[in-house]
Amino acid sequence: GENVEQHPSTLSVQEGDSAVIKCTYSDSASNYFPWYKQELGKRPQLIIDIRSNVGEKKDQRIAVTLNKTAKHFSLHITETQPEDSAVYFCAASRAGAGNMLTFGGGTRLMVKP
Amino acid sequence: DSGVTQTPKHLITATGQRVTLRCSPRSGDLSVYWYQQSLDQGLQFLIQYYNGEERAKGNILERFSAQQFPDLHSELNLSSLELGDSALYFCASSAETGSGNTIYFGEGSWLTVV
Repeated sequence: GENVEQHPSTLSVQEGDSAVIKCTYSDSASNYFPWYKQELGKRPQLIIDIRSNVGEKKDQRIAVTLNKTAKHFSLHITETQPEDSAVYFCAASRAGAGNMLTFGGGTRLMVKP
Repeated sequence: DSGVTQTPKHLITATGQRVTLRCSPRSGDLSVYWYQQSLDQGLQFLIQYYNGEERAKGNILERFSAQQFPDLHSELNLSSLELGDSALYFCASSAETGSGNTIYFGEGSWLTVV
């Protein structure tokens, strides 16, 4: 089955700096890659996603890039703010497997004021 | 608010007992998913239903079972509970079942087994 690895597990940045979180996946048939943000004790919330026919997608301060050849995708957050502090999860799913998401292990992002 | 409703929010029970977690998907969503989140295991997919039928199965224990009813709400039954079953159980829903359909999570049900 699919295996998604996420790095780093923790990331501390200064407010205003950029943060980058990287994920690799194993199943070349995976074609959908969402990113979720989870605040402590809350539900995961989708912040951005990308499909395999696109190499990059941007939404204000957040961008995601996908390299299908290398089977990795990354989340980029620019001009970080304290409210960006949370755990971020990457995930992958493939056609023909329902819509099952396989999640990475998560990255705890801490933005210091 | 995602529109996915889960009850109960918190539950404390003893080992060996059985509990039922309930989920109502977003209005119009046909697919329901159950995920388990524990400190050391991250978000683990348990099972998916689509319009009443089981669609995909993850690492769900035999002691656990689920179903989706005609009104599309779903229940996750956990039996012979062990301490290690203590976790946050999320229900999620999406409109359809194909890859790429946005999945919305509920607030979760905190289960503590003592």
